[in-house]
Amino acid sequence: AQKITQTQPGMFVQEKEAVTLDCTYDTSDPSYGLFWYKQPSSGEMIFLIYQGSYDQQNATEGRYSLNFQKARKSANLVISASQLGDSAMYFCAMRENYGQNFVFGPGTRLSVLP
Amino acid sequence: GAGVSQSPRYKVAKRGQDVALRCDPISGHVSLFWYQQALGQGPEFLTYFQNEAQLDKSGLPSDRFFAERPEGSVSTLKIQRTQQEDSAVYLCASTPTPPGLAGVGEETQYFGPGTRLLVL
Repeated sequence: AQKITQTQPGMFVQEKEAVTLDCTYDTSDPSYGLFWYKQPSSGEMIFLIYQGSYDQQNATEGRYSLNFQKARKSANLVISASQLGDSAMYFCAMRENYGQNFVFGPGTRLSVLP
Repeated sequence: GAGVSQSPRYKVAKRGQDVALRCDPISGHVSLFWYQQALGQGPEFLTYFQNEAQLDKSGLPSDRFFAERPEGSVSTLKIQRTQQEDSAVYLCASTPTPPGLAGVGEETQYFGPGTRLLVL
């Protein structure tokens, strides 16, 4: 069964507008972490934001915020004021408390239009 | 200090050749991970090292794949008798602590640029 689902293969957004990238996850572990990574065409995975399962507030990092809805098992990434440099693949990932590795979703390709 | 580095960045191999991919983690990082990323997909876990010990190799797709980290720093992923289905980007990541030792939030993985392997 898929542990991480990203239902949007591709998204377009106008420069300076906000965009939401969807992520839903599946785990029975009460303790886990959710991560978002950006992968530009250069290939490197760049860490954006983290949300712990016990965190009471949604995580924010600059223009990135995570809309965490634990009961729905969703962890959507919101990018405000999109920039051309935000065009990239975006991956949602999860690490369960006693797991060692990350499980990644299939990714969403974001294209920012001028 | 420097981030995670990987070499070579690109590798073209003929089917049946052996290849070796190198990863230099961030200095002092205890944990090292290898992932395989097929075109258009998310990375998939291959193997995990804590210092020099390979604690999990459940993701290695076949016995043609072998990884080592003999001195607990640099790691090499070796693929023997390469096949076309081995074509992918191979990503290496490191973290400063072993999983579970620190809080989950402190175990963000830092990735290298990857090695793009093409098997013809």
